[in-house]
Amino acid sequence: GAVVSQHPSWVICKSGTSVKIECRSLDFQATTMFWYRQFPKQSLMLMATSNEGSKATYEQGVEKDKFLINHASLTLSTLTVTSAHPEDSSFYICSARGESGRPNEQFFGPGTRLTVL
Amino acid sequence: AQKITQTQPGMFVQEKEAVTLDCTYDTSDPSYGLFWYKQPSSGEMIFLIYQGSYDQQNATEGRYSLNFQKARKSANLVISASQLGDSAMYFCAMRELNTGNQFYFGTGTSLTVIP
Repeated sequence: GAVVSQHPSWVICKSGTSVKIECRSLDFQATTMFWYRQFPKQSLMLMATSNEGSKATYEQGVEKDKFLINHASLTLSTLTVTSAHPEDSSFYICSARGESGRPNEQFFGPGTRLTVL
Repeated sequence: AQKITQTQPGMFVQEKEAVTLDCTYDTSDPSYGLFWYKQPSSGEMIFLIYQGSYDQQNATEGRYSLNFQKARKSANLVISASQLGDSAMYFCAMRELNTGNQFYFGTGTSLTVIP
């Protein structure tokens, strides 16, 4: 299956700093990428959907100015958590869909564990 | 209303036995896809199996099979011959093909395989 990578896999930062998480599709072109966050022992919650070259669509309740998403190319999307606070500590997962259009093709990255001190 | 419902927060199964993880869904879109993912403690979401709403046959992938009952709107995952490595969280998910890109995830079932 297709591979989606995330970098970093884990990050610890001080409160008030910004953190950038990268999501890359390694062997296919991802027309659409999705960002999720997951709290311990809970399900994945969709934060936003991004299409290459256009602005991301954020889910209700997700602050656009706090969670900046850029999908500058067909293989890279980034999520920047600005002015991070301890409540932003979570597991962030991206997923990518290719151009094939096959409904079962949506691939997940390994996740990034963010801890804000 | 919840799009995906998983009513079993935790399940236990004896090694080498079969186990069924329940999933029901709610949609008015006639065209949809149903997915099961495994999430071990490492956090990675591992795709297990897919069932399209128009698929006539129940999906199977090795030891995984999906018991698709369209009229009941259920898509239970059956794992045969459980192995210790099957211990993980299992998520059922749905994508409505006509109404957008969003995946709807259930709350998950934690499966523990007992030796």
